[in-house]
Amino acid sequence: GQNIDQPTEMTATEGAIVQINCTYQTSGFNGLFWYQQHAGEAPTFLSYNVLDGLEEKGRFSSFLSRSKGYSYLLLKELQMKDSASYLCAVRDSRGSTLGRLYFGRGTQLTVWP
Amino acid sequence: NAGVTQTPKFRVLKTGQSMTLLCAQDMNHEYMYWYRQDPGMGLRLIHYSVGEGTTAKGEVPDGYNVSRLKKQNFLLGLESAAPSQTSVYFCASRPRVAGGTYEQYFGPGTRLTVT
Repeated sequence: GQNIDQPTEMTATEGAIVQINCTYQTSGFNGLFWYQQHAGEAPTFLSYNVLDGLEEKGRFSSFLSRSKGYSYLLLKELQMKDSASYLCAVRDSRGSTLGRLYFGRGTQLTVWP
Repeated sequence: NAGVTQTPKFRVLKTGQSMTLLCAQDMNHEYMYWYRQDPGMGLRLIHYSVGEGTTAKGEVPDGYNVSRLKKQNFLLGLESAAPSQTSVYFCASRPRVAGGTYEQYFGPGTRLTVT
């Protein structure tokens, strides 16, 4: 089965740095996604990690450690518009369910001025 | 290029009624997915399709049926709606190989209430 865990809520102030953690226990692993979802809107893709290490994309970075079943999303120079839910999702590697995504419950980030 | 669109955006049903949610994509994607999102539960896969004419069950398929008669369309049907099916439904699609990222592109969602 798939078990993906991330904090329910986090708060931070504008201009600060925040790290959102995601831990997973899966039967088959073939990559980890981070999506951003503003209230009432569709999830939008932020990052994809399949190998260990840090992927940087502007203000957002994502890290993966496959041996530890751990990822984090790092948001720098926080802006009010970063207030959203951040979804961690694991891609399955098993034949019968290859490519399917399993989502965590999301972390609601609130950025205060 | 509209991406992924969903019809309708909102719907209220009475218990026992039926309806069909339509998902359309204009990106020529092979894979299409239907998810439901409930408070505190995250996104859960209902059904998916790896190509025209093929469908498969996801994590929570009971009470739903799907069809993929055309590559660009993926329909989700509720034959006899129940209050437990009150949710926000998202459709997503992706190409067979998405440049290595396997990113799924999501539609805007359909908010369904069953009374």
